Amino acid sequence: KNQVEQSPQSLIILEGKNCTLQCNYTVSPFSNLRWYKQDTGRGPVSLTIMTFSENTKSNGRYTATLDADTKQSSLHITASQLSDSASYICVVSAAHTNAGKSTFGDGTTLTVKP
Amino acid sequence: DARVTQTPRHKVTEMGQEVTMRCQPILGHNTVFWYRQTMMQGLELLAYFRNRAPLDDSGMPKDRFSAEMPDATLATLKIQPSEPRDSAVYFCASGLGQGGEKLFFGSGTQLSVL
Repeated sequence: KNQVEQSPQSLIILEGKNCTLQCNYTVSPFSNLRWYKQDTGRGPVSLTIMTFSENTKSNGRYTATLDADTKQSSLHITASQLSDSASYICVVSAAHTNAGKSTFGDGTTLTVKP
Repeated sequence: DARVTQTPRHKVTEMGQEVTMRCQPILGHNTVFWYRQTMMQGLELLAYFRNRAPLDDSGMPKDRFSAEMPDATLATLKIQPSEPRDSAVYFCASGLGQGGEKLFFGSGTQLSVL
């Protein structure tokens, strides 16, 4: 069964600090992995999308890494800001299947405090 | 600034009533998704359309839910009759591709069934 597990479930950090969120998956065969940011009361917004051949992708202060061998991804946030407080969702799509059935992680809730 | 538009943003209704949620995907996008999000279940795929054709609605309770795309600019999700367990936030998302692509989410419809 395809699964996506995220850790930690929640995280509190001080403004200005860095943090790293983890995503482990068992989706196979792998097509791509996406990280989304979801602010409270809003829909998810795409941060990064990585295919099998990509192991790092950045979007401003957000850097995602992918290790397709170990089926792990991380999202690193540098110099956190109060506006980074949100839920971060890892989504993995399988290849050669009905791509609508992407597997969503349960998300990591990040709180950045002043 | 292209965006997915969902209406209504909030809906409170009584058990047994019909609920219709509407979504205007981004112009030119060929895939439309309906998701339900609850605290307990996270994001669940309900239905998936590509080029207006329904490809997957296996996540949707068929006896009470229905999803349609009358034209390329409108997707609807109906619940009849509604039940308290349907209370959730319903998101529509659109994309351009085969289904595993970057998705653009609307702001959601928060549904409360009393």
